[in-house]
Amino acid sequence: DAGVTQSPTHLIKTRGQQVTLRCSPKSGHDTVSWYQQALGQGPQFIFQYYEEEERQRGNFPDRFSGHQFPNYSSELNVNALLLGDSALYLCASSLGDVGTEAFFGQGTRLTVV
Amino acid sequence: GDSVTQMEGPVTLSEEAFLTINCTYTATGYPSLFWYVQYPGEGLQLLLKATKADDKGSNKGFEATYRKETTSFHLEKGSVQVSDSAVYFCALTLYGQNFVFGPGTRLSVLP
Repeated sequence: DAGVTQSPTHLIKTRGQQVTLRCSPKSGHDTVSWYQQALGQGPQFIFQYYEEEERQRGNFPDRFSGHQFPNYSSELNVNALLLGDSALYLCASSLGDVGTEAFFGQGTRLTVV
Repeated sequence: GDSVTQMEGPVTLSEEAFLTINCTYTATGYPSLFWYVQYPGEGLQLLLKATKADDKGSNKGFEATYRKETTSFHLEKGSVQVSDSAVYFCALTLYGQNFVFGPGTRLSVLP
């Protein structure tokens, strides 16, 4: 079992560009959540997908959008990148609610220049 | 809103010293509580959890007890090792929904 896999591992983008990050959940998991972790801070919840629908959303602007595919993998899209979007983006997968047990990927380090 | 507060780091200890990292929470309901660990360049790994008052979570020598009366979930280890050097995050969930994380506490253990 490969666990939760995220791609790419590192990414450098220019301010104003758009970016897509990808996540494959742990085998058997159907729920994917995305978190933003700025340097030196705790992860902040962006949104959660279940059954290809956005089930919950944190306090992030509409520039942040996502998608979940029928195989439960997910994408995070960020438009009109700002310098402040530079962070580690973490994907977590779970079977149903995260309160049971959630597994995190290694993250994608996004740098906006 | 719901929130988690942790003691500020960094915490620097000698090998075999006793570790305590304080964590308190504010929640509108009755949360489940977690400790996650993040090693350099890696994602988060679940260290331990507790789902109801007075539950004790334990793993790899680490322990934390869910104290409803003091809204706390302090992490302890009797004898730390160099390999325990990492960032530790306290977190909560309510009704199985998204995690709310604390700011993290960096631990450095010196040989």
